[in-house]
Amino acid sequence: EAQVTQNPRYLITVTGKKLTVTCSQNMNHEYMSWYRQDPGLGLRQIYYSMNVEVTDKGDVPEGYKVSRKEKRNFPLILESPSPNQTSLYFCASSQAGSGSFYGYTFGSGTRLTVV
Amino acid sequence: SQQGEEDPQALSIQEGENATMNCSYKTSINNLQWYRQNSGRGLVHLILIRSNEREKHSGRLRVTLDTSKKSSSLLITASRAADTASYFCATRYSGAGSYQLTFGKGTKLSVIP
Repeated sequence: EAQVTQNPRYLITVTGKKLTVTCSQNMNHEYMSWYRQDPGLGLRQIYYSMNVEVTDKGDVPEGYKVSRKEKRNFPLILESPSPNQTSLYFCASSQAGSGSFYGYTFGSGTRLTVV
Repeated sequence: SQQGEEDPQALSIQEGENATMNCSYKTSINNLQWYRQNSGRGLVHLILIRSNEREKHSGRLRVTLDTSKKSSSLLITASRAADTASYFCATRYSGAGSYQLTFGKGTKLSVIP
């Protein structure tokens, strides 16, 4: 089944303790992206990647890191989480190509609470 | 930056009625997409309309696009309780090599059985 898999689904952590949220897709998609979703603010893009070793900042990159060493994986790293990073996080992937007429496939989300 | 803005923010209808949601955006786009999100779950892609298209259908969904007004609408006909969800429009702007989608804040649809 074509899918984007995020882990963990739920995570409660303490301020300052480094964490990684994993994202993997099995569709050979070039493009991957991370979003956070907060009440009243909608979805905001954190980072995206056009292909292996190619990443770039989205609208709200502060406090986050990403890497794209393999095409299928795009982990989100919080080096020193703070309470304002408490949010619902989504990974998404898409084909990339001429015209870009493709929809995104989203993961099921990771609900992160930083205390 | 938030490009799409949905209207209304919330909509409540009876089962069997039609639901219409609107989306406005600010810059030239390559395409516009609609997604559905059930509470706290991942978004599901519903339909994509290209900038040179004016209307598109998929099952009970009908999407229109007016690039002169920078607006789109999503019509769900003969709604069902299972259509209860939040609906988001997302725009892919027309810059070269751009694959980013910018999402609006969504319309929360409640379909009452």
